[in-house]
Amino acid sequence: AQTVTQSQPEMSVQEAETVTLSCTYDTSENNYYLFWYKQPPSRQMILVIRQEAYKQQNATENRFSVNFQKAAKSFSLKISDSQLGDTAMYFCAFIGGGSNYKLTFGKGTLLTVNP
Amino acid sequence: DAGITQSPRHKVTETGTPVTLRCHQTENHRYMYWYRQDPGHGLRLIHYSYGVKDTDKGEVSDGYSVSRSKTEDFLLTLESATSSQTSVYFCAISDLGQGEQPQHFGDGTRLSIL
Repeated sequence: AQTVTQSQPEMSVQEAETVTLSCTYDTSENNYYLFWYKQPPSRQMILVIRQEAYKQQNATENRFSVNFQKAAKSFSLKISDSQLGDTAMYFCAFIGGGSNYKLTFGKGTLLTVNP
Repeated sequence: DAGITQSPRHKVTETGTPVTLRCHQTENHRYMYWYRQDPGHGLRLIHYSYGVKDTDKGEVSDGYSVSRSKTEDFLLTLESATSSQTSVYFCAISDLGQGEQPQHFGDGTRLSIL
């Protein structure tokens, strides 16, 4: 079974600085997808970024980028120029590329951006 | 935003009563999912559907049943609610079952069972 581990329950960063959230996963599959979702206090689940395992290039979306290390099974999220609106719970998630349709989530990292 | 509506948004009920949560989508997506979110656990999959009348269990399916009689509606039923089922419930949809298309989530239903 796949597992996703986020080892940092809480983190904080000053506005305009850069922060990195960690995620590791365990799988025997070779083809899969990884995601970061953001959950602000409004409780919505918002997709931040997506990475395909067969692509070596790290995904980027504006101020958000990932460091995908397939051999190490690591998928960290870097937030540059942090903004107050980035304050949220961040979840790392995994889905296998086979017939497994199930999205497996980590337990989340609560990020607070301080003014 | 993906057209996903969950109802009700909040519900308080008593132990032993039946409860049905509804997820309605306007995207005509094939796959629909029910998750629950609890502190310290992230989101965990309860059941999912890969087509009308096609459903399967997730990792925390005990005490829950689902039905999908139309593409747009996916119902989650607690036949006899227990306090351990107090949680926030999220519905999600995707057009493809794997990661080619990410799952998009509804706004959640907060369910309290007293």
